[in-house]
Amino acid sequence: DIQMTQTPSSMPASLGERVTISCRASQGISNYLNWYQQKPDGTIKPLIYYTSNLQSGVPSRFSGSGSGTDYSLTISSLEPEDFAMYYCQQYDSSPPTFGAGTKLELK
Amino acid sequence: EIQLQESGPGLVKPSQSLSLTCSVTGYTITSGYDWSWIRKFPGNKMEWMGYISNSGSTNYNPSLKIRISITRDTSKNQFFLQLNSVTTEDTATYYCARFDYYSNIMDAWGQGASVTVSS
Repeated sequence: DIQMTQTPSSMPASLGERVTISCRASQGISNYLNWYQQKPDGTIKPLIYYTSNLQSGVPSRFSGSGSGTDYSLTISSLEPEDFAMYYCQQYDSSPPTFGAGTKLELK
Repeated sequence: EIQLQESGPGLVKPSQSLSLTCSVTGYTITSGYDWSWIRKFPGNKMEWMGYISNSGSTNYNPSLKIRISITRDTSKNQFFLQLNSVTTEDTATYYCARFDYYSNIMDAWGQGASVTVSS
């Protein structure tokens, strides 16, 4: 299975701050990389597919980039509702695998 | 708007089977997409378990292949997870989700069902 290393595991940040979460795959995944957000109540929302494509309804302050083994999610200016868990997930090969998650916390 | 809702026992004894139902409203599961199960362990690790396609074929995570079964009842627009011979390591929150095989993302999720394996 492809291992996904996600960093940092937690990130204190302030409202309005720009933040970046990273995800490294154990082998190249050809941009087949998704990002999800999990809120404290457990609900999970898809954010980005195929590295950089915003899912419908996702605000434009979210963006994704990367290639090969290294990918990132950037939030340009944090809003109160953005403090949550974030997961990357690869689907280049089966089984799909997830990063360990990043908890974005209010500083 | 599509909605998915997991249901089932919150407590299962070791060596028994875990059974969960995902009820789907707002979309017919035979019309398209694949229908997945994912779980999140205490400590936040997430694991894709498998899916049943809109045509009824299945694909499972090899790590679970001998214990897992995903089936469906098209008349009720539901699909099911059965995990056999559970241990305490199967304690997790179980999510059902719709997989969009065009964008290759799970684009709709249930709220999750917490299952504890304990005697």
